[in-house]
Amino acid sequence: DAGITQSPRHKVTETGTPVTLRCHQTENHRYMYWYRQDPGHGLRLIHYSYGVKDTDKGEVSDGYSVSRSKTEDFLLTLESATSSQTSVYFCAISAEGNEQYFGPGTRLTVT
Amino acid sequence: GENVEQHPSTLSVQEGDSAVIKCTYSDSASNYFPWYKQELGKRPQLIIDIRSNVGEKKDQRIAVTLNKTAKHFSLHITETQPEDSAVYFCAASRGSGGGADGLTFGKGTHLIIQP
Repeated sequence: DAGITQSPRHKVTETGTPVTLRCHQTENHRYMYWYRQDPGHGLRLIHYSYGVKDTDKGEVSDGYSVSRSKTEDFLLTLESATSSQTSVYFCAISAEGNEQYFGPGTRLTVT
Repeated sequence: GENVEQHPSTLSVQEGDSAVIKCTYSDSASNYFPWYKQELGKRPQLIIDIRSNVGEKKDQRIAVTLNKTAKHFSLHITETQPEDSAVYFCAASRGSGGGADGLTFGKGTHLIIQP
């Protein structure tokens, strides 16, 4: 597997609390992505980054924000978690013109 | 935006037989089409991909075909084995390779290999 880690791997939180998920890569790839995976929906793009401090919205960005202050780290923040954000979150990386490789995922439960 | 439809949602085949999964896409500007395999509780793993300047690509027992005119692409697995059991996802992107704007995925096909 490509050098991608995600933390935490599992998290349970309460509605209304802020949550930050971290994606860390050791491949020095330019592009990084956050997806969520839900039964019946496949994987859907939340936000992506094409360089340090360069980010943009994906298909399901409402309620999420991201930051990328270093090439190797891409943070996903839920400012005020809701039950609809219970999901498995995957980070992915891509070098320019190459394939996307996924991290191990974070299972988030919002109660 | 792009929309990717994938069929069937579940496919059961006898071990040794072939399996075919089909996807259609809506954005004629899409030019990169990967396939991912995901085992239960694991991350999606890229198994094969095709770019719009190619009609077919093979890698051992798996192959992908692309029909740009009809906007559909298919995954073919021959001589299926028990370890092929998994959920398979197709995806499409405008960018080259991973693409700057991310992948749009189909909803997945649960492939079951019957012994």
